[in-house]
Order: sequence, then structure tokens, then C-alpha cells
Amino acid sequence: DSGVTQTPKHLITATGQRVTLRCSPRSGDLSVYWYQQSLDQGLQFLIQYYNGEERAKGNILERFSAQQFPDLHSELNLSSLELGDSALYFCASSVGSVIETQYFGPGTRLLVL
Amino acid sequence: LAKTTQPISMDSYEGQEVNITCSHNNIATNDYITWYQQFPSQGPRFIIQGYKTKVTNEVASLFIPADRKSSTLSLPRVSLSDTAVYYCLVGDGNTGFQKLVFGTGTRLLVSP
Repeated sequence: DSGVTQTPKHLITATGQRVTLRCSPRSGDLSVYWYQQSLDQGLQFLIQYYNGEERAKGNILERFSAQQFPDLHSELNLSSLELGDSALYFCASSVGSVIETQYFGPGTRLLVL
Repeated sequence: LAKTTQPISMDSYEGQEVNITCSHNNIATNDYITWYQQFPSQGPRFIIQGYKTKVTNEVASLFIPADRKSSTLSLPRVSLSDTAVYYCLVGDGNTGFQKLVFGTGTRLLVSP
């Protein structure tokens, strides 16, 4: 158990819908990272937040957004969902804002029908 | 953006040493190299991290040559439970911002 929690574990929805994925980092960690893993794209970095502020941006679509709240939990919002958004979404956390050991959550499996 | 390249797959037998190499030609001065292990339907798990020369911990060693354009993860005496995908991660060090780029991953299959 990494100490990172993600909810929900599974999510099934339809195209065009909007969903919110939630992540609680390990106690004491200030950074939260979001990743998308699909069969054909591998593990893709989406975005990083550090202590409430956006720190780094990767291959995140404009239809996706994220935020980190004062209690340091984070939410990833996915809107206008397409079939291709079906994937595993992982959240990770670390103590600081630069590259260091990241602890990954169990992931949320999203299926868009 | 630091791009990495790894072999797609490797096969080994129990008890053997496995070396997985990652190429990262445009690694930046501030970048560290990190390796993660991932089992199916689980999040990646940290294995080891280094900047230069050699780093060793209880599960693996990491060899980084002087030019730092590649790195090698060494797993001593693998077991069946080491069957997993291994990712090389290089932080793209632009002061204050880190764009994290995972490699393609190497699927290691350990057979009895």
C-alpha cells in the first residue's frame, strides 16, 4: 500500500459525459501527479500540482482539467468524453516539487462506451 | 524534452541477472534517472534512482556512465515475481518545472 488513495476504482460512462477522478496523496506529500495509461499509448504524464499550484504540464487535453485543493487532495476532471479516453488513470504523490520518488495510487479504470 | 528508449521486452530465467538499458540522449544537467516497476493493473512502484556512476539498494543496482546518455538497471538473481514492466524515467530539468517523461517500458518475463 503506497498511501495514495484514488476513487472511484472503476467508472463506466458514455461518450460526451463528464467525470471527476479524485486523489488523496500520502500524508506530508505536497506534489500530486496525474498519469494516463492506455494500451496503445503507454504511461503518459498529464499534469503536476505542487501545494495547490500547477507545476508542470504534459500531454493533457484541453477537455481535461485538474486542481489541487487546500487539503492537498486533487481532482482530475474529464469532459466531453470520447471512446479513446478509456484508460487507467493514476495519481502519484511526492514530498517536493522536483523529480524524486513518486508513490502511485491503485488507479481509476475509466471505460467510455 | 528528454526522450527515453528501452527494449520492448526481455526474457530471463529464475536466478539469472537481468540488465535493462535505457537510452536518454538529451538528458539535461539537472535530470535524475529513476526506474519503476509495474505489475498488471497496479500503479508503478519505485525501484531506484541515480544521477551518475553507480547506485545500489536492496533490490537493484543502477549504472550510469560518465556521459549520462544511458543507464542500466541491474536485477540480481531474478525470480518469477520479477515478471513485470520496467520503466525508465528521466526528469526534464528546466528550473522550477519538471516535465516527466516515462520510457516505453520493458516487459520482463522470468521463466522457471
